[in-house]
Amino acid sequence: AQSVTQLGSHVSVSEGALVLLRCNYSSSVPPYLFWYVQYPNQGLQLLLKYTTGATLVKGINGFEAEFKKSETSFHLTKPSAHMSDAAEYFCAVKSTGNQFYFGTGTSLTVIP
Amino acid sequence: EAQVTQNPRYLITVTGKKLTVTCSQNMNHEYMSWYRQDPGLGLRQIYYSMNVEVTDKGDVPEGYKVSRKEKRNFPLILESPSPNQTSLYFCASSFRDRTYGYTFGSGTRLTVV
Repeated sequence: AQSVTQLGSHVSVSEGALVLLRCNYSSSVPPYLFWYVQYPNQGLQLLLKYTTGATLVKGINGFEAEFKKSETSFHLTKPSAHMSDAAEYFCAVKSTGNQFYFGTGTSLTVIP
Repeated sequence: EAQVTQNPRYLITVTGKKLTVTCSQNMNHEYMSWYRQDPGLGLRQIYYSMNVEVTDKGDVPEGYKVSRKEKRNFPLILESPSPNQTSLYFCASSFRDRTYGYTFGSGTRLTVV
């Protein structure tokens, strides 16, 4: 079985500060992991994904995430927050049956 | 432009009045899925389809129907909507390969009164 836990439903950071959004997964098979972003009144957009290979994955808008098998984690980071990063972020794991399992989301607020 | 198109974007209806939310994708994806998004609950899968004429229940299928007669279309049908189906609905599609992520539609905000 697969599942995803996002710690912290709301995260606030100051503009220019580090963004860290946490995601832990459980998977009975090698996981394929994804981060999505949802801006207000929009659908979800793929930020980045880990399938195989390099464990540090770079995505769009300066975000990156590191797959840590020993910690079953896939945390999302960005060195310097921008006002435009304010959005809802979802972590997801994809099963062998092509099913996505989403976390409950983390709402990011950026304070000027 | 590669996209998933949902219609309508907003819908207010009354309890018991049948409705259909359409979803169409132009990427030749085999896999399509419907989710509902509710505050604090994230995205929950309603139904999915692995290919034409192949559909299966997700986590919250009660009160919904789907069909997949053509590869590009995957409509969501509410035969007798109830207020607890008030939600934000998303259609998504993907290639079957696990390495692919979903492409999401823009969402349909449904209110049942």
